[in-house]
Amino acid sequence: GNSVTQMEGPVTLSEEAFLTINCTYTATGYPSLFWYVQYPGEGLQLLLKATKADDKGSNKGFEATYRKETTSFHLEKGSVQVSDSAVYFCALKAGGGADGLTFGKGTHLIIQP
Amino acid sequence: SAVISQKPSRDICQRGTSLTIQCQVDSQVTMMFWYRQQPGQSLTLIATANQGSEATYESGFVIDKFPISRPNLTFSTLTVSNMSPEDSSIYLCSVANSNQPQHFGDGTRLSIL
Repeated sequence: GNSVTQMEGPVTLSEEAFLTINCTYTATGYPSLFWYVQYPGEGLQLLLKATKADDKGSNKGFEATYRKETTSFHLEKGSVQVSDSAVYFCALKAGGGADGLTFGKGTHLIIQP
Repeated sequence: SAVISQKPSRDICQRGTSLTIQCQVDSQVTMMFWYRQQPGQSLTLIATANQGSEATYESGFVIDKFPISRPNLTFSTLTVSNMSPEDSSIYLCSVANSNQPQHFGDGTRLSIL
């Protein structure tokens, strides 16, 4: 079946540090890949997406590149801020539009000033 | 993106009772989904709510426990039946059109005593 594996936290960094949250996946075919973010006390929000190999999704300074050869979709940001503290979920959609998402376990990111 | 309203936002219920959660969208959407997020865990897809027909359930979830309605393209309900403490979770509705990313409501935080 489909699965998503992401590094578990909490991950604690200082402000302006470089961030990488690893995500790898197992799926048949060519899934679409997503990063969702859940800020404290808020709902789940789409952060970025990529729908085919070598696509790069980006938003709010975050980037992730769809690597088919390594089945990965690592999330990166060059300089994190305290406001980036949240739980980040990697997810995939394996099939067509009617398919639900398969989520990783989430990574709790804590940015210290 | 669509504005998604879930009601109630939270509830505390007695074991053996049932609770119906509503999901209302401000525009017509093709697909609606229901997820569960158990404490400290990731999101798990319960079912796809199909307009005008029975929902499609994922492995481990059954209609008798989680009946779902979707009478039109903007509204769906999920009922958690005969609740036990193990049903204490956050229940989330998500919506999507065609091959667009899913967007989530703020969730319903359910505690069973």
